Amino acid sequence: AQSVSQHNHHVILSEAASLELGCNYSYGGTVNLFWYVQYPGQHLQLLLKYFSGDPLVKGIKGFEAEFIKSKFSFNLRKPSVQWSDTAEYFCAVNGDPGGTSYGKLTFGQGTILTVHP
Amino acid sequence: DGGITQSPKYLFRKEGQNVTLSCEQNLNHDAMYWYRQDPGQGLRLIYYSQIVNDFQKGDIAEGYSVSREKKESFPLTVTSAQKNPTAFYLCASSPSPGLGFSGNTIYFGEGSWLTVV
Repeated sequence: AQSVSQHNHHVILSEAASLELGCNYSYGGTVNLFWYVQYPGQHLQLLLKYFSGDPLVKGIKGFEAEFIKSKFSFNLRKPSVQWSDTAEYFCAVNGDPGGTSYGKLTFGQGTILTVHP
Repeated sequence: DGGITQSPKYLFRKEGQNVTLSCEQNLNHDAMYWYRQDPGQGLRLIYYSQIVNDFQKGDIAEGYSVSREKKESFPLTVTSAQKNPTAFYLCASSPSPGLGFSGNTIYFGEGSWLTVV
């Protein structure tokens, strides 16, 4: 079974600081990887996704993530955060189509990001 | 507007009662999902359906039941057998169950809060 681990439960930063949120998954086959964001009082939105090709993926609002297959990681980064980035961030993984994880998206525990003005 | 509609947004249930959460989508998506979100645990998959008249158990299906009689509807029943039902429930859908190709993404509803009193 696939699993996803996010290292930090709560990250607190000041505006303009750089951000890196860790995400590791446990699945030996081909994976698709996602980062979702949930702003206070809003529903989950897709930030970015990786399916294949360039392991450095760029998403909305200046976020990017790098897929490092050898480390089973898909860390989220942003060079300079803003107060409006305050939200909860979820990493998710889907396994190889046709395998037991087909059609299932497994989420990490979530990381709450608080950005102080 | 196209999207996923969950109702009710807030629901209170007495212990021993079954309750049903509604999820309707007008996106013409084949696949639908139910997740449960608890603080510090991320999203956990309850049930998912890849096509009408078919559904599979997710990671925490005990105490829940679903049906998929129509493509646009995927109601979730929280039964009295569910030991800890108080949570935030999220319904989601995707164009097809095969998440392993670019462009196929899971979209989420706004959620339903269930409280057992």
